[in-house]
Amino acid sequence: AQKITQTQPGMFVQEKEAVTLDCTYDTSDQSYGLFWYKQPSSGEMIFLIYQGSYDEQNATEGRYSLNFQKARKSANLVISASQLGDSAMYFCAMREYTGNQFYFGTGTSLTVIP
Amino acid sequence: NAGVTQTPKFRVLKTGQSMTLLCAQDMNHEYMYWYRQDPGMGLRLIHYSVGEGTTAKGEVPDGYNVSRLKKQNFLLGLESAAPSQTSVYFCASSRTGGLGNNEQFFGPGTRLTVL
Repeated sequence: AQKITQTQPGMFVQEKEAVTLDCTYDTSDQSYGLFWYKQPSSGEMIFLIYQGSYDEQNATEGRYSLNFQKARKSANLVISASQLGDSAMYFCAMREYTGNQFYFGTGTSLTVIP
Repeated sequence: NAGVTQTPKFRVLKTGQSMTLLCAQDMNHEYMYWYRQDPGMGLRLIHYSVGEGTTAKGEVPDGYNVSRLKKQNFLLGLESAAPSQTSVYFCASSRTGGLGNNEQFFGPGTRLTVL
């Protein structure tokens, strides 16, 4: 079974609008971390935001927020006030603390339209 | 600080040739990882290391070997390259593996083509 599922291969959003990128995860661990990374066309991987399984508050970092719904095992990324520079691939990842591996989803390609 | 660096950035091999990819980090991180990225597949973990002198298999280890003789370096070897190993390879490191935000820092990637 897939550990991380991203069901949106591609998304479009109008500049200055908000967009939600979906991520669901599968784990039986109680302790885990969820991460979002951005990969622009230049290829580098850029860390955006982290949510721990025991964190009660949703994580926020500037225009990025993570909508964490533990019971549904979802960790959606919300980008507010989209900018042209947000056009990129976005990857959701999880680390279970009983192991040392990170698991990545297949990514969502976001295009911001002027 | 340079962060995580990878050598080389590009390489073309013929089937059956061998090569080593070098990853170096200057952040004193304990954990290091090698991934491959293929279209539509996301990143898949090949091997990882939780400290100097240790290595472990990830999701797709076949056809690859690794070594971590020094804390700052993590080498990925292909003994007999195959066209299926054509991919972009990323190295990453993280401070530790414990609870908390132990984000991974990534290198710029190596684009490998096997003919």
